[in-house]
Order: sequence, then C-alpha cells, then structure tokens
Amino acid sequence: AIQMTQSPSSLSASVGDRVTITCRASQGIRNDLGWYQQKPGKAPKLLIYAASSLQSGVPSRFSGSGSGTDFTLTISSLQPEDFATYYCLQDYSYPWTFGQGTKVEIK
Amino acid sequence: EVQLVESGGGLVQPGGSLRLSCAASGFTFSTYFMSWVRQAPGKGLEWVANIKQDGSDKYYVDSVKGRFTISRDNAKNSLSLEMNSLRAEDTAAYYCARVFKGVAGGREYRVFDIWGQGTMVTVSS
Repeated sequence: AIQMTQSPSSLSASVGDRVTITCRASQGIRNDLGWYQQKPGKAPKLLIYAASSLQSGVPSRFSGSGSGTDFTLTISSLQPEDFATYYCLQDYSYPWTFGQGTKVEIK
Repeated sequence: EVQLVESGGGLVQPGGSLRLSCAASGFTFSTYFMSWVRQAPGKGLEWVANIKQDGSDKYYVDSVKGRFTISRDNAKNSLSLEMNSLRAEDTAAYYCARVFKGVAGGREYRVFDIWGQGTMVTVSS
C-alpha cells in the first residue's frame, strides 16, 4: 500500500498567515491526489483535485501543487473559517490512502 | 438537492454483525462509483471500500477483506456495507461518499465530492 505522510501533524497560525501543508507519497502517484478539509463533527469537504485544481466554490486562497511524490497545500491568507483538519488522499492505486491529517489551530 | 444519508450504525459486540445503508438522492446514482470511508474517534480518515457503478467490481482495504461486503441496489438508489466479525478497531464513524470522475490535464481524476453525515459504529462488550 502507498503510504501518505503529511507534515506537520499540527500547526498554530494567526489570521492572515500563509500556511503550507505537505504530503509525501511512498512511491510516485503522478498527480492523483486530492486535499480535503474537515471541521469537527462534520464530513470532509473537497478542496483540491488532481493535485492542483481548485474545486468549484472553494476560495482562491487555497492552492495545491506537486506531482510524483511531493505535494503541497497552501492557504495564502488564513481566515477564521479555515481552522480545521486537512487530509491528502491518493487514488493512484488501491488501497486508496489518506495522510494522517494536519490540524490547523488558532495561535 | 444532492444528498447521501447513512443509517444502521449502533452498538455491537465483538464478533457481531451490522449492516449500514446509504440512501442517495438528487443525482443519477447508477452512474457513480461509490465508497465507504471511516474515522475512528479522534483519528484520521480511512478509505474502506469502493464499488463500481454496476456492482461488478469491488475494492477493499486489507483490514476488512473477508469481513466486510460493499453492495448497491441501483433500483433503490442505495449503497450498503455488510460488516461481519466486527472488532473493537472497527469502531468509527462510517461515511458513504460519491466518487466523481473527471478529466484534468488530459488525465482522469477521482475524488469524493459528496459525503453523507456519517453513522457511528461502536464495537464493544
């Protein structure tokens, strides 16, 4: 199974900060990666697909990049509603695997 | 409105069985791959199983192979997860999710674009 390693596992940031979350695959997955946001008690929400494409309706402050084994989710200017946990997911091969998550907390 | 609604969760003893259901509405259910994803309390997300549109292909995470069975009834717009030989480590919120397939940069991608609200399964004596 492909392992997805996210870092950091948590971070503290202030409103307006630029935040970067990384996800590393244990083998190449082309750009078969998505990013999801989850708030407590809620289902996850799709943010980015195909590593760098912004899902419709998602604010443009979110962006994704990367290909192969290394991927990045960037929030250009953190907003109060962005405090949540973020997960990457590879669908390159079965079993599909999520990263362990990055919790973004208020500083 | 596009919607997925899970049901069937509850408390079950180790070794027991449970059947989860997911009712789909607002879209043509038979044209989408469907999935189950779970999340243990305080833990991260784990993909559990996928099923092809016509039910002919099914995929599972290793930890549930031989114990869980994903199925669907396209006439009833319903997805199911039959869970047998349940273990404490199966305790989780179980989400059904729609798999959307698209093309970006000439390459197909797949994402979970619609999720249910989740149903909690607790395996405990």
